[in-house]
Amino acid sequence: DQQVKQNSPSLSVQEGRISILNCDYTNSMFDYFLWYKKYPAEGPTFLISISSIKDKNEDGRFTVFLNKSAKHLSLHIVPSQPGDSAVYFCAAYDGNNRKLIWGLGTSLAVNP
Amino acid sequence: EPEVTQTPSHQVTQMGQEVILRCVPISNHLYFYWYRQILGQKVEFLVSFYNNEISEKSEIFDDQFSVERPDGSNFTLKIRSTKLEDSAMYFCASTRDSHQYFGPGTRLTVT
Repeated sequence: DQQVKQNSPSLSVQEGRISILNCDYTNSMFDYFLWYKKYPAEGPTFLISISSIKDKNEDGRFTVFLNKSAKHLSLHIVPSQPGDSAVYFCAAYDGNNRKLIWGLGTSLAVNP
Repeated sequence: EPEVTQTPSHQVTQMGQEVILRCVPISNHLYFYWYRQILGQKVEFLVSFYNNEISEKSEIFDDQFSVERPDGSNFTLKIRSTKLEDSAMYFCASTRDSHQYFGPGTRLTVT
Protein backbone atom coordinates (compact mmCIF):
# COMPACT_ATOMS: atom_id res chain seq x y z
CA ASP A 1 0.00 0.00 0.00
CA GLN A 2 1.79 3.08 -1.25
CA GLN A 3 1.19 6.16 0.85
CA VAL A 4 3.14 8.37 -1.56
CA LYS A 5 2.63 7.86 -5.26
CA GLN A 6 4.48 9.24 -8.24
CA ASN A 7 2.48 7.87 -11.13
CA SER A 8 4.81 8.98 -13.90
CA PRO A 9 8.00 6.92 -13.95
CA SER A 10 9.56 9.23 -16.53
CA LEU A 11 9.20 12.66 -18.09
CA SER A 12 10.95 14.25 -21.03
CA VAL A 13 11.05 18.04 -21.48
CA GLN A 14 12.75 20.45 -23.85
CA GLU A 15 15.37 22.79 -22.40
CA GLY A 16 13.84 26.12 -21.42
CA ARG A 17 10.35 24.68 -20.96
CA ILE A 18 8.57 23.94 -17.71
CA SER A 19 8.91 20.54 -16.02
CA ILE A 20 6.01 19.49 -13.81
CA LEU A 21 6.46 16.50 -11.55
CA ASN A 22 3.45 15.20 -9.68
CA CYS A 23 2.96 13.38 -6.42
CA ASP A 24 -0.13 12.08 -4.62
CA TYR A 25 -0.42 10.96 -1.02
CA THR A 26 -3.00 9.23 1.10
CA ASN A 27 -2.28 10.27 4.69
CA SER A 28 -3.65 13.71 5.58
CA MET A 29 -1.53 13.77 8.75
CA PHE A 30 1.82 14.24 7.01
CA ASP A 31 3.61 17.33 8.33
CA TYR A 32 5.98 18.18 5.52
CA PHE A 33 6.53 17.21 1.96
CA LEU A 34 9.98 17.17 0.44
CA TRP A 35 11.45 16.78 -3.00
CA TYR A 36 14.81 15.10 -3.42
CA LYS A 37 16.89 14.91 -6.55
CA LYS A 38 19.09 11.93 -7.25
CA TYR A 39 21.81 11.41 -9.81
CA PRO A 40 22.95 7.85 -10.64
CA ALA A 41 25.24 6.30 -8.00
CA GLU A 42 24.80 9.27 -5.67
CA GLY A 43 22.68 9.82 -2.56
CA PRO A 44 19.45 11.81 -2.76
CA THR A 45 19.96 15.54 -2.26
CA PHE A 46 17.35 17.77 -0.76
CA LEU A 47 15.76 20.16 -3.23
CA ILE A 48 12.77 21.92 -1.70
CA SER A 49 10.10 21.29 0.91
CA ILE A 50 6.69 22.56 1.88
CA SER A 51 4.89 22.55 5.18
CA SER A 52 1.43 21.04 5.27
CA ILE A 53 0.07 24.45 6.30
CA LYS A 54 1.32 26.16 3.15
CA ASP A 55 0.16 25.86 -0.44
CA LYS A 56 3.23 27.14 -2.24
CA ASN A 57 6.95 27.40 -1.72
CA GLU A 58 9.36 28.88 -4.21
CA ASP A 59 13.15 28.70 -4.44
CA GLY A 60 14.67 30.07 -7.60
CA ARG A 61 13.62 27.93 -10.54
CA PHE A 62 11.85 25.45 -8.27
CA THR A 63 8.31 25.85 -6.96
CA VAL A 64 6.31 23.30 -5.04
CA PHE A 65 2.52 23.51 -4.90
CA LEU A 66 0.42 21.67 -2.34
CA ASN A 67 -3.29 20.97 -2.76
CA LYS A 68 -4.35 19.45 0.54
CA SER A 69 -7.94 18.80 -0.45
CA ALA A 70 -6.75 16.74 -3.40
CA LYS A 71 -3.79 15.29 -1.45
CA HIS A 72 -1.60 16.29 -4.33
CA LEU A 73 1.64 18.16 -4.71
CA SER A 74 3.67 19.15 -7.70
CA LEU A 75 7.18 20.39 -8.38
CA HIS A 76 7.60 22.94 -11.13
CA ILE A 77 10.99 23.62 -12.64
CA VAL A 78 11.17 26.61 -14.92
CA PRO A 79 13.10 27.05 -17.07
CA SER A 80 14.32 23.45 -17.25
CA GLN A 81 18.01 22.90 -17.86
CA PRO A 82 19.91 19.79 -19.04
CA GLY A 83 21.59 19.60 -15.61
CA ASP A 84 18.16 19.05 -14.08
CA SER A 85 18.08 15.58 -15.65
CA ALA A 86 17.85 13.23 -12.67
CA VAL A 87 15.40 11.12 -10.71
CA TYR A 88 13.10 13.22 -8.52
CA PHE A 89 11.66 11.67 -5.39
CA CYS A 90 8.67 13.00 -3.54
CA ALA A 91 8.74 12.23 0.17
CA ALA A 92 6.27 12.87 2.97
CA TYR A 93 7.40 13.36 6.53
CA ASP A 94 5.59 11.45 9.24
CA GLY A 95 6.31 13.55 12.32
CA ASN A 96 4.96 10.95 14.74
CA ASN A 97 7.46 8.33 13.64
CA ARG A 98 10.11 10.78 12.39
CA LYS A 99 10.17 8.92 9.12
CA LEU A 100 10.19 9.86 5.47
CA ILE A 101 7.78 7.97 3.25
CA TRP A 102 9.15 7.86 -0.29
CA GLY A 103 7.55 7.75 -3.70
CA LEU A 104 9.02 5.59 -6.44
CA GLY A 105 10.56 8.55 -8.23
CA THR A 106 10.17 10.19 -11.63
CA SER A 107 13.07 10.21 -14.04
CA LEU A 108 13.31 13.62 -15.69
CA ALA A 109 15.20 14.06 -18.95
CA VAL A 110 15.76 17.64 -20.13
CA ASN A 111 16.77 17.65 -23.76
CA PRO A 112 18.98 20.41 -25.20
CA GLU B 1 28.63 22.95 4.33
CA PRO B 2 28.63 19.89 6.62
CA GLU B 3 27.93 16.60 4.93
CA VAL B 4 27.28 12.98 5.68
CA THR B 5 30.10 10.68 4.61
CA GLN B 6 30.05 6.96 3.97
CA THR B 7 32.75 4.35 3.54
CA PRO B 8 33.52 2.35 1.54
CA SER B 9 32.03 3.65 -1.68
CA HIS B 10 31.90 0.11 -3.06
CA GLN B 11 32.03 -3.18 -1.19
CA VAL B 12 32.16 -6.56 -2.89
CA THR B 13 31.60 -9.60 -0.70
CA GLN B 14 30.80 -13.25 -1.01
CA MET B 15 27.45 -14.63 0.01
CA GLY B 16 27.41 -15.57 3.67
CA GLN B 17 30.10 -13.09 4.68
CA GLU B 18 29.62 -10.29 7.16
CA VAL B 19 29.88 -6.68 6.04
CA ILE B 20 29.99 -3.43 7.96
CA LEU B 21 28.98 -0.23 6.23
CA ARG B 22 30.17 2.94 7.88
CA CYS B 23 28.67 6.40 8.07
CA VAL B 24 29.72 9.63 9.72
CA PRO B 25 26.59 11.74 10.22
CA ILE B 26 26.59 15.51 10.58
CA SER B 27 27.92 16.25 14.05
CA ASN B 28 24.98 18.06 15.68
CA HIS B 29 22.31 15.78 14.25
CA LEU B 30 20.27 13.60 16.54
CA TYR B 31 18.47 11.12 14.30
CA PHE B 32 20.13 8.63 12.01
CA TYR B 33 18.79 6.43 9.29
CA TRP B 34 19.76 3.69 6.88
CA TYR B 35 18.03 3.26 3.55
CA ARG B 36 18.73 1.02 0.63
CA GLN B 37 17.95 1.16 -3.06
CA ILE B 38 18.06 -1.99 -5.12
CA LEU B 39 18.97 -1.17 -8.71
CA GLY B 40 15.94 0.17 -10.55
CA GLN B 41 13.71 0.14 -7.50
CA LYS B 42 12.57 2.70 -4.96
CA VAL B 43 14.47 3.97 -1.95
CA GLU B 44 13.49 1.74 1.00
CA PHE B 45 13.63 2.64 4.67
CA LEU B 46 15.60 0.19 6.80
CA VAL B 47 16.01 1.64 10.27
CA SER B 48 16.01 4.82 12.32
CA PHE B 49 18.19 5.41 15.37
CA TYR B 50 17.89 7.96 18.14
CA ASN B 51 19.40 8.29 21.59
CA ASN B 52 21.54 5.20 21.08
CA GLU B 53 18.73 2.89 20.21
CA ILE B 54 16.61 1.83 17.29
CA SER B 55 13.45 3.89 17.14
CA GLU B 56 11.90 2.15 14.19
CA LYS B 57 12.78 -0.58 11.70
CA SER B 58 11.17 -1.91 8.58
CA GLU B 59 10.34 -5.53 7.79
CA ILE B 60 13.49 -5.65 5.67
CA PHE B 61 15.61 -5.06 8.79
CA ASP B 62 15.58 -8.63 10.10
CA ASP B 63 17.95 -10.39 12.50
CA GLN B 64 20.73 -10.33 9.92
CA PHE B 65 20.95 -6.55 10.29
CA SER B 66 22.21 -4.49 13.18
CA VAL B 67 23.19 -0.87 13.73
CA GLU B 68 25.59 0.74 16.15
CA ARG B 69 26.88 4.14 17.08
CA PRO B 70 30.05 2.92 18.73
CA ASP B 71 31.91 6.14 19.42
CA GLY B 72 29.54 9.11 19.12
CA SER B 73 30.55 9.91 15.57
CA ASN B 74 30.32 6.76 13.46
CA PHE B 75 27.04 5.05 12.66
CA THR B 76 27.40 1.53 11.27
CA LEU B 77 25.17 -0.97 9.55
CA LYS B 78 26.22 -4.61 9.88
CA ILE B 79 24.86 -7.43 7.77
CA ARG B 80 25.86 -10.70 9.44
CA SER B 81 25.45 -13.17 6.61
CA THR B 82 24.95 -11.49 3.29
CA LYS B 83 22.59 -12.81 0.65
CA LEU B 84 22.55 -12.13 -3.06
CA GLU B 85 19.43 -10.00 -2.64
CA ASP B 86 21.29 -7.68 -0.26
CA SER B 87 23.08 -6.22 -3.28
CA ALA B 88 22.01 -2.58 -3.37
CA MET B 89 23.07 0.98 -2.69
CA TYR B 90 22.93 1.70 1.02
CA PHE B 91 22.39 5.28 2.08
CA CYS B 92 22.91 6.75 5.50
CA ALA B 93 21.03 9.91 6.49
CA SER B 94 21.00 12.19 9.49
CA THR B 95 18.74 14.98 10.62
CA ARG B 96 17.81 17.37 13.39
CA ASP B 97 14.30 17.86 12.02
CA SER B 98 12.36 16.83 8.94
CA HIS B 99 15.13 17.52 6.44
CA GLN B 100 17.33 14.47 6.10
CA TYR B 101 20.82 14.83 4.75
CA PHE B 102 22.04 11.83 2.81
CA GLY B 103 25.47 10.41 2.34
CA PRO B 104 26.77 9.42 -1.09
CA GLY B 105 25.96 5.77 -0.52
CA THR B 106 27.84 2.48 -0.43
CA ARG B 107 27.32 0.12 -3.31
CA LEU B 108 27.21 -3.42 -1.89
CA THR B 109 27.68 -6.24 -4.35
CA VAL B 110 27.14 -9.77 -3.04
CA THR B 111 28.50 -12.51 -5.29
